[in-house]
Amino acid sequence: GDSVTQMEGPVTLSEEAFLTINCTYTATGYPSLFWYVQYPGEGLQLLLKATKADDKGSNKGFEATYRKETTSFHLEKGSVQVSDSAVYFCALSDRDLNYGGSQGNLIFGKGTKLSVKP
Amino acid sequence: DGGITQSPKYLFRKEGQNVTLSCEQNLNHDAMYWYRQDPGQGLRLIYYSQIVNDFQKGDIAEGYSVSREKKESFPLTVTSAQKNPTAFYLCASSIRGRDRRKDNEQFFGPGTRLTVL
Repeated sequence: GDSVTQMEGPVTLSEEAFLTINCTYTATGYPSLFWYVQYPGEGLQLLLKATKADDKGSNKGFEATYRKETTSFHLEKGSVQVSDSAVYFCALSDRDLNYGGSQGNLIFGKGTKLSVKP
Repeated sequence: DGGITQSPKYLFRKEGQNVTLSCEQNLNHDAMYWYRQDPGQGLRLIYYSQIVNDFQKGDIAEGYSVSREKKESFPLTVTSAQKNPTAFYLCASSIRGRDRRKDNEQFFGPGTRLTVL
């Protein structure tokens, strides 16, 4: 079945460091890909998404490019801040070209905890 | 402002008791979802509903029940049959119901932390 694998944490960085969180997926069909962020004690918020190959999602300085050839959707940020400390989840949703069959539910990775030190 | 509300934020229950978690959305979304989150395990789907008066089991439905009598509401009951109910429960909704052409981005509520004493 479809699955998402993301790098295990925790990841600890100093402020202004470069961030990469790896995410790879296995899916049939043509999935949409998402990154969600969860701050302590809260629900998940959508950070960015991409719906087809070579699309780049971006938001708040974070970026991720949908790479079909490597089945990857790695999250990057050039300069992290203390306020970026959170758990980051990669997710996929299978997209049904023929509008039938697939439920379109999200499948999540296990999450990567990021801690940014001042 | 539109959004998803979950109540209560913290919930304590004695072993052997049923408890119901509330989830309400005013986004006019067709689909609603319940997830369970445990440390280091990501999110696991309990139940989902794509339309009023219909719902489907997710990956870990045993010991849980739901209803979808109104579009806005999708309460989750954790029954005494659930062996290990202590967890963080998240409700979500999306505009996509059975129309596969619609976006499937999910919006999440703030969560309810259930502790069984």
